[in-house]
Amino acid sequence: DVKVTQSSRYLVKRTGEKVFLECVQDMDHENMFWYRQDPGLGLRLIYFSYDVKMKEKGDIPEGYSVSREKKERFSLILESASTNQTSMYLCASPGGQGAEYEQYFGPGTRLTVT
Amino acid sequence: AQSVTQPDIHITVSEGASLELRCNYSYGATPYLFWYVQSPGQGLQLLLKYFSGDTLVQGIKGFEAEFKRSQSSFNLRKPSVHWSDAAEYFCAVGARNAGNNRKLIWGLGTSLAVNP
Repeated sequence: DVKVTQSSRYLVKRTGEKVFLECVQDMDHENMFWYRQDPGLGLRLIYFSYDVKMKEKGDIPEGYSVSREKKERFSLILESASTNQTSMYLCASPGGQGAEYEQYFGPGTRLTVT
Repeated sequence: AQSVTQPDIHITVSEGASLELRCNYSYGATPYLFWYVQSPGQGLQLLLKYFSGDTLVQGIKGFEAEFKRSQSSFNLRKPSVHWSDAAEYFCAVGARNAGNNRKLIWGLGTSLAVNP
């Protein structure tokens, strides 16, 4: 299985701060995804990447940006954190050949913006 | 457009009872279907998947799901629920975007509570 790690389990930031959420996968796969999860709203796709330096907007990209400088690392950036970005953030990477739709998730980062 | 509907937001069952969680999808082609589980404080874990072939698929933790094309459904079942099954369950369908890249379309989830 793909192993996906996220840099922090819990994070507390202040309004207006620049926030970096890091995600690393260990299987040299091209695809990586960032979601946010909120009660009653399920998983919403923020950004995804299909290759190094390639990014594509998901359903809710506003207020976020991403960086993919190396294949194994996909960073989510909150340029100026706001309280409505308080959420659980999940990173995912699909499996290998024949399992391109299966997504393996990191443990999540619970971000609180005060 | 592709979509996934989980009609039940919250379900409560007694330990030892049977369970069925509903999932309906909208997708033009043969779907790739998934069920994920998220236990409290945990990340999402793949329970089972359907790509083709036998319409009844077995997963981990004693779960199974049946693909019914005529009903556009992929319902999750377990014959006897354990207290540790209390969790959030998500159904998803694989889709391709305009750039022909693969992603998942997610249902909103069903929260399962288990009474002792």
